[in-house]
Amino acid sequence: AQSVTQLGSHVSVSEGALVLLRCNYSSSVPPYLFWYVQYPNQGLQLLLKYTSAATLVKGINGFEAEFKKSETSFHLTKPSAHMSDAAEYFCAVRGPNSGGSNYKLTFGKGTLLTVNP
Amino acid sequence: DTEVTQTPKHLVMGMTNKKSLKCEQHMGHRAMYWYKQKAKKPPELMFVYSYEKLSINESVPSRFSPECPNSSLLNLHLHALQPEDSALYLCASSQHRDILTYEQYFGPGTRLTVT
Repeated sequence: AQSVTQLGSHVSVSEGALVLLRCNYSSSVPPYLFWYVQYPNQGLQLLLKYTSAATLVKGINGFEAEFKKSETSFHLTKPSAHMSDAAEYFCAVRGPNSGGSNYKLTFGKGTLLTVNP
Repeated sequence: DTEVTQTPKHLVMGMTNKKSLKCEQHMGHRAMYWYKQKAKKPPELMFVYSYEKLSINESVPSRFSPECPNSSLLNLHLHALQPEDSALYLCASSQHRDILTYEQYFGPGTRLTVT
C-alpha cells in the first residue's frame, strides 16, 4: 500500500527564510504525489502535484517540490517565507495498490508551518 | 470555476437531531468524496461516489448516510450522532475517480459540533 511520512509535525521559520517541508513516500511503483495546504478553518488547497512528467514541480504561491526516486522523497520548498504561508501542509499519495483502491488519496500526518516576523 | 461549495459553514446539533450537509460543484467532475477531519489530523476518507453511484464506504457508521441526487450535488445526512462525531466535514471532487493524475478539489468544510 502507498504511504507518505512527513518529517516534523511543526516547522518554524523566520520571514524571508527558506521553507523546507519534508515528505518521504513508500511505494513499490512510481506514485502520484500531491502537496496540499490548509489555512485555519478552511478546506485543502492544492499547491502542486507530481505525475511523472517532470521531477521538479512548480506550484502556486512560489512553492516547488522535487521528486527524488533514489531518496523516495518529495520535499516542498519555498525560497523566502511570507507571513501568509503560515498553515498546515499535507503531503499525499495516490497510486496503484494491491487493494484495488487506486482512487484513495493517502495523507501524511501534516506539518504545521509557523512564520515568525 | 474550480470551486466546491459546502453548506452550512457551521452546524451544532443534539444527539437526537437529524440534519444534512450539502456539497455542490459545477466543474463537471464525476467523482465526489466525503472526508472527516479531526483537529490536528489529516482528512479521513468516508465515502466515494463515482458517476452518482456509491463506490466505497470506508466502514462508516450508519448514522451517516450519503446521497448523490445528481452529478453536481452530494449530501450527507446525519442522525443520532455522538459527541465524538464532532469534526470538520470536507467534501471534494475530481474529474474521474480512477485516473490517478487528477487532483481532488476540496470545499471549505462544515464545522460540526454534536452536543
